[in-house]
Amino acid sequence: TQLLEQSPQFLSIQEGENLTVYCNSSSVFSSLQWYRQEPGEGPVLLVTVVTGGEVKKLKRLTFQFGDARKDSSLHITAAQPGDTGLYLCAGMKGGKLIFGQGTELSVKP
Amino acid sequence: ETGVTQSPTHLIKTRGQQVTLRCSSQSGHNTVSWYQQALGQGPQFIFQYYREEENGRGNFPPRFSGLQFPNYSSELNVNALELDDSALYLCASSWGPPETQYFGPGTRLLVL
Repeated sequence: TQLLEQSPQFLSIQEGENLTVYCNSSSVFSSLQWYRQEPGEGPVLLVTVVTGGEVKKLKRLTFQFGDARKDSSLHITAAQPGDTGLYLCAGMKGGKLIFGQGTELSVKP
Repeated sequence: ETGVTQSPTHLIKTRGQQVTLRCSSQSGHNTVSWYQQALGQGPQFIFQYYREEENGRGNFPPRFSGLQFPNYSSELNVNALELDDSALYLCASSWGPPETQYFGPGTRLLVL
């Protein structure tokens, strides 16, 4: 059983479209991170959210932490082919990172 | 400032063999965590070392063991390799257990 559920698992869209990835759990986390991973490489940290209800923006990416600190979302506006990759959410619990299974995003030109 | 490095980048072993993977943490970081990432999955926590002591372990059998050295670099050892051990092994370092973790590029292990 996955402690952190990500949806969708796969997403294939055209350049310029918007998308949202969801990360849900029944557990409370002290913080939640979003990572992007390219094939053959380690995950690269995009953002950390700590406070319930927090919203952070990173250019065309908007991250939100749920009020109860159990869920999060990542919204990408006007997706570009360079956004292609595996997006992972991870919750911090007791100093350990617990990952979702990832969302594989493909943005076609 | 040097980032997290791992060696080797790729490794092929046969079932029953033993393997040692290495990780150099980012400068100043005293905590190293190891993860196993199977193809198409998110990373799974193996264990964490903080100041040379094991500081938590995930759901992995005892044949997965580790070490952290005084310079905070770390090793992951896997004995009696099984086919299902084929995966990308990632290490991540941080200033302390609850702090942001920075990942290395991983070691791709293939068990035949």
